[in-house]
Amino acid sequence: DSGVTQTPKHLITATGQRVTLRCSPRSGDLSVYWYQQSLDQGLQFLIHYYNGEERAKGNILERFSAQQFPDLHSELNLSSLELGDSALYFCASSAGLQDTEAFFGQGTRLTVV
Amino acid sequence: GENVEQHPSTLSVQEGDSAVIKCTYSDSASNYFPWYKQELGKRPQLIIDIRSNVGEKKDQRIAVTLNKTAKHFSLHITETQPEDSAVYFCAASKGSNYQLIWGAGTKLIIKP
Repeated sequence: DSGVTQTPKHLITATGQRVTLRCSPRSGDLSVYWYQQSLDQGLQFLIHYYNGEERAKGNILERFSAQQFPDLHSELNLSSLELGDSALYFCASSAGLQDTEAFFGQGTRLTVV
Repeated sequence: GENVEQHPSTLSVQEGDSAVIKCTYSDSASNYFPWYKQELGKRPQLIIDIRSNVGEKKDQRIAVTLNKTAKHFSLHITETQPEDSAVYFCAASKGSNYQLIWGAGTKLIIKP
């Protein structure tokens, strides 16, 4: 158990809908990262938050948004869902901004039908 | 920006043999290089990492080497076992404002 909790584990929804994925980082970790992993693909970096502030953006679509709350949990909002958004979404946390180990959650598997 | 290339995309080795996965990076300011293992359907987990002030690091059957001049680093797994079958990802980071730049992954298959 990495200490990073993601909910829900599985999500099935229809095209055009909106979903929210939730991540609770390890206790004390200030950095949260979101990644998208499509079937048999690598990890695509979406966005990084540190202590409530957005620090870096990767290949995140305009239909997607995220935030990190004062209690450091983070949410990834995906709207106007398309079939191609079906993927495994990982959240990872690390202690801070320096080069420390990133701990991954178990992921949320999103299926858009 | 930083780019990390990883080769090969698939590697099949006989159980007991060694496996080597190589990554190259583009940004000479990168100073942290972790390797993650992802088993089927599971989350990536750190297996070993190396920082730019070190040329080699070992942990039992796993070792990582770093060549800063050539800007490449490699993962070496000796005496491979069936449980080593997984996808392995390399990554690079510049440390401050930490953000990992990931390689595309290598699927390692251990043949019995």
